[in-house]
Amino acid sequence: ETGVTQTPRHLVMGMTNKKSLKCEQHLGHNAMYWYKQSAKKPLELMFVYNFKEQTENNSVPSRFSPECPNSSHLFLHLHTLQPEDSALYLCASSQDGASSTDTQYFGPGTRLTVL
Amino acid sequence: SQQGEEDPQALSIQEGENATMNCSYKTSINNLQWYRQNSGRGLVHLILIRSNEREKHSGRLRVTLDTSKKSSSLLITASRAADTASYFCAFGMEYGNKLVFGAGTILRVKS
Repeated sequence: ETGVTQTPRHLVMGMTNKKSLKCEQHLGHNAMYWYKQSAKKPLELMFVYNFKEQTENNSVPSRFSPECPNSSHLFLHLHTLQPEDSALYLCASSQDGASSTDTQYFGPGTRLTVL
Repeated sequence: SQQGEEDPQALSIQEGENATMNCSYKTSINNLQWYRQNSGRGLVHLILIRSNEREKHSGRLRVTLDTSKKSSSLLITASRAADTASYFCAFGMEYGNKLVFGAGTILRVKS
């Protein structure tokens, strides 16, 4: 295990539902990331938080809303999603996010299916 | 696009053989990293090579970086069935903390 946990591991939701993905890291890191991994596409960075402050929003639609209450927890709130949002959502953390040389530690992901 | 490109897209070899995967990129980088992903799981960091380095080793892994050609290769020697996974290169931009990932190479090692 990498020290990064994600819940739930699988989620099926309708387009009108509201749900949240949770990520927790037990590594004492200060930077946390959300990535989207769709089939046959490169991993896409969605959001970056550094010391609880959002430092990157990679033009993500507003139906995805991140929340970082502290350095150990990261949430991704979902509402009125589209079927094309179905993907594996990966959370990662790194020591302080100051440099890309910081190793990122990934959670196992949440497999999301939007019906 | 800043995305990296990897080839081959898929590679199937026999146990004991070597596996080579290649990655190319378009912009200036600070470093290049390789990650491994088992089916449906998170990525695991394998090795990082900085832009001023040409070669790096870690166990059965050998990474090379050619900044003039904007390319890198990952060599896995004496492959094992347990090496079956997807392998991704990721390059760190010259400034900031962003990593840009390639599309990955699916490696299958047959026993």
